[in-house]
Amino acid sequence: LAKTTQPISMDSYEGQEVNITCSHNNIATNDYITWYQQFPSQGPRFIIQGYKTKVTNEVASLFIPADRKSSTLSLPRVSLSDTAVYYCLVGDRGYSTLTFGKGTMLLVSP
Amino acid sequence: DSGVTQTPKHLITATGQRVTLRCSPRSGDLSVYWYQQSLDQGLQFLIQYYNGEERAKGNILERFSAQQFPDLHSELNLSSLELGDSALYFCASKGPGYGYTFGSGTRLTVV
Repeated sequence: LAKTTQPISMDSYEGQEVNITCSHNNIATNDYITWYQQFPSQGPRFIIQGYKTKVTNEVASLFIPADRKSSTLSLPRVSLSDTAVYYCLVGDRGYSTLTFGKGTMLLVSP
Repeated sequence: DSGVTQTPKHLITATGQRVTLRCSPRSGDLSVYWYQQSLDQGLQFLIQYYNGEERAKGNILERFSAQQFPDLHSELNLSSLELGDSALYFCASKGPGYGYTFGSGTRLTVV
């Protein structure tokens, strides 16, 4: 499984756009990039998944450059409730196990 | 409600005891995964089942075991419990396509 590297923590203020970048230099051809969000004492929640270019849903956008060695999760106009740990994972869309890293602790302040 | 049900939500037990954690996957999902999360560790993969068969094993102690039943629910058995086994235990399920769905977890406290 490709290893991922992302910042340990980030700080932001309400209403700002937050971009969290993840590097995955050894991503394989059939790997997808998936982001999860975890609040304290809750299970991780799927946010978004993509393979290349840009994916957008109602909560976030995912930008993936052509070489796919990195990706950026973009959260528009964050609120206090977006304070959570965000995990970037890389893997195929089969039934392989998920390997979580430390994630990025996002703290949104008023 | 994610569709993955874990019971009980909280469990307090003494060292040396044995407990069973239960997970009902999202309807139609054949694969179940167990994870352990303690304060000083991240989410650690324990074991995976697919349609009743063990598919992959992670850092699961010999004192721990699991199984998946014909109705696809899964149980994680933890025995000879130690203080260090105190953690959140999550179950996730997956069907075809993308995205794993996690349950809300069982918080185990060993005293």
